[in-house]
Amino acid sequence: AQSVAQPEDQVNVAEGNPLTVKCTYSVSGNPYLFWYVQYPNRGLQFLLKYITGDNLVKGSYGFEAEFNKSQTSFHLKKPSALVSDSALYFCAVRVAVNNNAGNMLTFGGGTRLMVKP
Amino acid sequence: GAVVSQHPSWVICKSGTSVKIECRSLDFQATTMFWYRQFPKQSLMLMATSNEGSKATYEQGVEKDKFLINHASLTLSTLTVTSAHPEDSSFYICSASPRLHEQYFGPGTRLTVT
Repeated sequence: AQSVAQPEDQVNVAEGNPLTVKCTYSVSGNPYLFWYVQYPNRGLQFLLKYITGDNLVKGSYGFEAEFNKSQTSFHLKKPSALVSDSALYFCAVRVAVNNNAGNMLTFGGGTRLMVKP
Repeated sequence: GAVVSQHPSWVICKSGTSVKIECRSLDFQATTMFWYRQFPKQSLMLMATSNEGSKATYEQGVEKDKFLINHASLTLSTLTVTSAHPEDSSFYICSASPRLHEQYFGPGTRLTVT
């Protein structure tokens, strides 16, 4: 079974400072990893994904994430946080399979990011 | 591109009635759609996987007779909550997958059962 852990319920950071939202995963097989952001009463918006290739993945809104296979982590980062980045962030994983049922994602519990001016 | 809509965005219904939620992929076709449920301040829990033209696959613990899913076309899947009860009140989110590694989420439907 695959699982995702986001160890922090909330991350607080001052505007302009770098931010990190942590994610670790557990899968049997090669992982495909995703980050999504959710604003209040809204669906999820895709930020970035790691499928293969370069371990550092750049995504939307200046976010990036680094895939670390040895530490089974996929932490989300941004060099300079904005107040508008405040939202709920979800890490998700799926295991490599070759049919659409394998597109099923397992989500972490979510981390609320609060960026203060 | 890759827009998924849900209708209604919010609904209030009385206990015992049924509610239908639509999920549409507006500018792409999706052989697979997923239905999630999200409780306040919690993560998304997959309820079922819906494949066009075949029966949905439900996750363990999800009552298939209570949460009826129909995937009638490559752009439309519906979730019907039958005989709704207050404990069914939740935020329901669908997603559509046009191809491997891609999944686009709808804006969600907030259901309140009184």
